[in-house]
Amino acid sequence: QKEVEQDPGPLSVPEGAIVSLNCTYSNSAFQYFMWYRQYSRKGPELLMYTYSSGNKEDGRFTAQVDKSSKYISLFIRDSQPSDSATYLCAMSGDSNYQLIWGAGTKLIIKP
Amino acid sequence: NAGVTQTPKFQVLKTGQSMTLQCAQDMNHEYMSWYRQDPGMGLRLIHYSVGAGITDQGEVPNGYNVSRSTTEDFPLRLLSAAPSQTSVYFCASRSLGGPPSYEQYFGPGTRLTVT
Repeated sequence: QKEVEQDPGPLSVPEGAIVSLNCTYSNSAFQYFMWYRQYSRKGPELLMYTYSSGNKEDGRFTAQVDKSSKYISLFIRDSQPSDSATYLCAMSGDSNYQLIWGAGTKLIIKP
Repeated sequence: NAGVTQTPKFQVLKTGQSMTLQCAQDMNHEYMSWYRQDPGMGLRLIHYSVGAGITDQGEVPNGYNVSRSTTEDFPLRLLSAAPSQTSVYFCASRSLGGPPSYEQYFGPGTRLTVT
């Protein structure tokens, strides 16, 4: 079993929908949780990060961490065709700079 | 700033050939790493470095060598290419001055096909 599980999709939704992307993990030592966005034929770019539990909001994006369930989510409100990309979750322990990556979910927003 | 640059963008090799993928960054980052990305597998760490002269293995190091003679450059060598090394390779760098969530900057990737 992988340390981080993420459904590869693709997830296809109409423009304007609320999107929910998720990852589950098994290592209770993870404290830093990140979401990277990767456009086709490009390198990943950091979208959001959260430390420990709780929510973090940035514009149309909300990152949520539930450490009791070992489950993290990224919500996208009012989704746009420009949000079409692969979204990768990544996580790390407190003193470890190596990231453990999910497989990435391909998201398609239909106009 | 150019950020993280990688060359070449595309490469086709025959089985048994060797080659070097180049990576350079101009952000004075201590940490540099190489990943491979395969469909459904996410990013897998090949090798990494925390400074000039210091390198270490990641999750999938077999068949690859690295060296770090300067802060800026971190080349990845394929010793004897195999079809299983067909993949997209990304170089990334980050500063070690912050927490693990400190942003990693990725290059544009090298698409390698081994026939």
